[in-house]
Amino acid sequence: DGGITQSPKYLFRKEGQNVTLSCEQNLNHDAMYWYRQDPGQGLRLIYYSQIVNDFQKGDIAEGYSVSREKKESFPLTVTSAQKNPTAFYLCASSPQGPDREGLAGVGDTQYFGPGTRLTVL
Amino acid sequence: GQNIDQPTEMTATEGAIVQINCTYQTSGFNGLFWYQQHAGEAPTFLSYNVLDGLEEKGRFSSFLSRSKGYSYLLLKELQMKDSASYLCAGRGGSIFGAGTRLFVKA
Repeated sequence: DGGITQSPKYLFRKEGQNVTLSCEQNLNHDAMYWYRQDPGQGLRLIYYSQIVNDFQKGDIAEGYSVSREKKESFPLTVTSAQKNPTAFYLCASSPQGPDREGLAGVGDTQYFGPGTRLTVL
Repeated sequence: GQNIDQPTEMTATEGAIVQINCTYQTSGFNGLFWYQQHAGEAPTFLSYNVLDGLEEKGRFSSFLSRSKGYSYLLLKELQMKDSASYLCAGRGGSIFGAGTRLFVKA
């Protein structure tokens, strides 16, 4: 079955520690994204990647880092520099990347993983 | 600038029709997407529009007016399981509305 997975589902970390969240997809999608969602709020884009070894900052990239060494994988590291890391983190992928000319199409549809709920103790 | 606005909450009755509005101010518009998110779960794709008019998919339809910067999601024959948040978003994920929480009552 094709899909997008995230692990772990729940994660606890002590203040001051870095932590890495996993995101894997076997949909052969070019683009991958990381979002943060706080209670009762919408999604805010942290980073996205449209191709291997390349990624762009989103609206709230400070305190986070990513890598895209393989097409299937886009891990997110929450560093100790992130002041309020407790949140629900969602990874998504889409067949095509967003930064191209022309109107959107079905290739821009995003598929989301189940999310990781991070709590800083 | 880029901004998407949606009502925070709506309540409707099982079996009824509800319309969830979304207004946007974005330069270089290139498409509007609707997602459904149940509490504690990931969003799932519902519909998208790039041209003016109505796109129908079963009980769900989405409408777009580019000149007015306006879209809506129409849900027909409401069911209890439709209680969820509904998010509208521009292409690429950098613009997501805060979502409208829909409560369906019996």
